[in-house]
Parts: sequence; C-alpha cells; structure tokens
Amino acid sequence: GAGVSQSPRYKVAKRGQDVALRCDPISGHVSLFWYQQALGQGPEFLTYFQNEAQLDKSGLPSDRFFAERPEGSVSTLKIQRTQQEDSAVYLCASSLGPGPTDTQYFGPGTRLTVL
Amino acid sequence: LAKTTQPISMDSYEGQEVNITCSHNNIATNDYITWYQQFPSQGPRFIIQGYKTKVTNEVASLFIPADRKSSTLSLPRVSLSDTAVYYCLDTNAGKSTFGDGTTLTVKP
Repeated sequence: GAGVSQSPRYKVAKRGQDVALRCDPISGHVSLFWYQQALGQGPEFLTYFQNEAQLDKSGLPSDRFFAERPEGSVSTLKIQRTQQEDSAVYLCASSLGPGPTDTQYFGPGTRLTVL
Repeated sequence: LAKTTQPISMDSYEGQEVNITCSHNNIATNDYITWYQQFPSQGPRFIIQGYKTKVTNEVASLFIPADRKSSTLSLPRVSLSDTAVYYCLDTNAGKSTFGDGTTLTVKP
C-alpha cells in the first residue's frame, strides 16, 4: 500500500511568511510524529499525535510552530512568521499503534528554505 | 529519552561484514533499541529492533548485551547501496530521540 506522503516536497518562503506543511500518514495508523532535520544532523522530535490528540509538543521550538490533526488522519504543521533558522527538512512519520515496538514509517520530508 | 552515542563515520569495502556499535548509557527499563537507515533526500527507514540478546532479520542482526548499555548492528556482506547514515535510538511509545548517526561509506 501507499506509504507516508508529504507535500510540498520543497518550499521556499521569504522571511516573515507563514507556511503550511502537509502529512498524509499510512491509512489506519494511530500515531503521527513530526521531526525537524537540519543539514548534517539527525531528526529532532517536534510533536506527537495519537489519533487527533496531541500528546506531546515538547519539541516545538517556539510558539510560531503549530501542528494539528483534526480528524485523526492528515496532519498539518504550520510555521508562522518564518525565520532563516527554520530552514530544514521537516519529516513526518506514522505508526500503527502507540506501543513501544510499533515501527515508525517516515515520509520523504519537506525541504523548507527561508530566504 | 536521551541521545545515544555512536561513531560519526565508518568506511568499509563491498562484501565485508560491518559492525556499528552504539552506547545507550541512559536507556530506561521500558525502552527498546531501534536502528534506522537514512539515504540522502529520504526519510529514515526502519532496519531492526530488539530489547535484549540477539535479533536477526533479512537485512541485519542486532546484538544487545545483558546490561543493555550498548548495541551492535551487524550488516553482512555490505554493498555500495548500503552507503547511508545509520541511527540507533532508545525507543518507547511517543517521542524518539535521534542522535547524529553514523555515516557508513562502502567502497568498491
């Protein structure tokens, strides 16, 4: 079946603009995760949903970052008033359940460049 | 969940067995050990997961000693296509903490 998809794959924004990044998880997957990956570094956790509930948002770097998953499926990561330091690849992952052994399946990421 | 520690880079040649060791100094009782592989411009891909002793699947083996303070990912007979970044993680439900990974370069 289809994997995790993300759109757009590439996004260029001028500093100060708002952006919205979309994640379509694998159908039926309960858990959804967002990560930020800077060049040459490992992914950094941003936030975690179980169905529509946002259970952990401890990784969101500022109040400019907002994520939602209103119907427990598609999720959107919104960044307001983008800054140059927001330039990174934003990865979405989903897993079938919330258990500790449930494998996270990652999408290809959205590369955000803020000019 | 604390970050793990692993070598920054490793080189190998085609056909060799590669072992990448990771330190899990702050692993919790309920954490599992999971390894991911990442190619450029792609998201990480699950390789293998274990709790203790040895786990083997079609692509790799994972060795975890009794104290669970380390793990070793073993890739048998690597090929050029195994050139990638490999991450080891302590995992539990929810948040996962990636380190900076080990860049494996396989040479012909």
